[in-house]
Amino acid sequence: KQEVTQIPAALSVPEGENLVLNCSFTDSAIYNLQWFRQDPGKGLTSLLLIQSSQREQTSGRLNASLDKSSGRSTLYIAASQPGDSATYLCAVRDDTGNQFYFGTGTSLTVIP
Amino acid sequence: NAGVTQTPKFRVLKTGQSMTLLCAQDMNHEYMYWYRQDPGMGLRLIHYSVGEGTTAKGEVPDGYNVSRLKKQNFLLGLESAAPSQTSVYFCASRLAGDEQYFGPGTRLTVT
Repeated sequence: KQEVTQIPAALSVPEGENLVLNCSFTDSAIYNLQWFRQDPGKGLTSLLLIQSSQREQTSGRLNASLDKSSGRSTLYIAASQPGDSATYLCAVRDDTGNQFYFGTGTSLTVIP
Repeated sequence: NAGVTQTPKFRVLKTGQSMTLLCAQDMNHEYMYWYRQDPGMGLRLIHYSVGEGTTAKGEVPDGYNVSRLKKQNFLLGLESAAPSQTSVYFCASRLAGDEQYFGPGTRLTVT
């Protein structure tokens, strides 16, 4: 069974700092990997989707990379802002079906 | 275009009661999913559907049933609620090969 881990569980940084969130998965047979943002009491908002054949995706200040062979993905946030404070989750879709496996998330606080 | 909507937003049930959660999407998505989110556990897949009239079990299906009679709706039923089913329930949908879109969630408490 696929296991997805996100480290650290919580992170606090001063505004303006660049930061990296980590996601690791145990089975490299994935179809794609998706990064989400979740605000307290809200649903999940998709940030970036990386197909298994891709190495990275970029959207604004966000850059996600994927190393399928080593079972790792990183989400890079440049010039962090207080509005970036949220929980960030990664999810992998296995390539044998339609199931998605989520990590437990990293809770990010950006201090003004 | 409302995206993915969930009804109700909050619900309190007593042990043994039944209820149905409704998920609706207006994006003509084929795939729909029901997840539960518990502290420290992340999101876990309960059931999913790959198209109208189809359903399949996910990681934690016990105690739940689902139906997809119309393409735009995916219903999650609890026949006899238990305190272990206290959770936040999320519905999601997607097109083939595409990203998932999530609803706002339903917070369910079973006493």
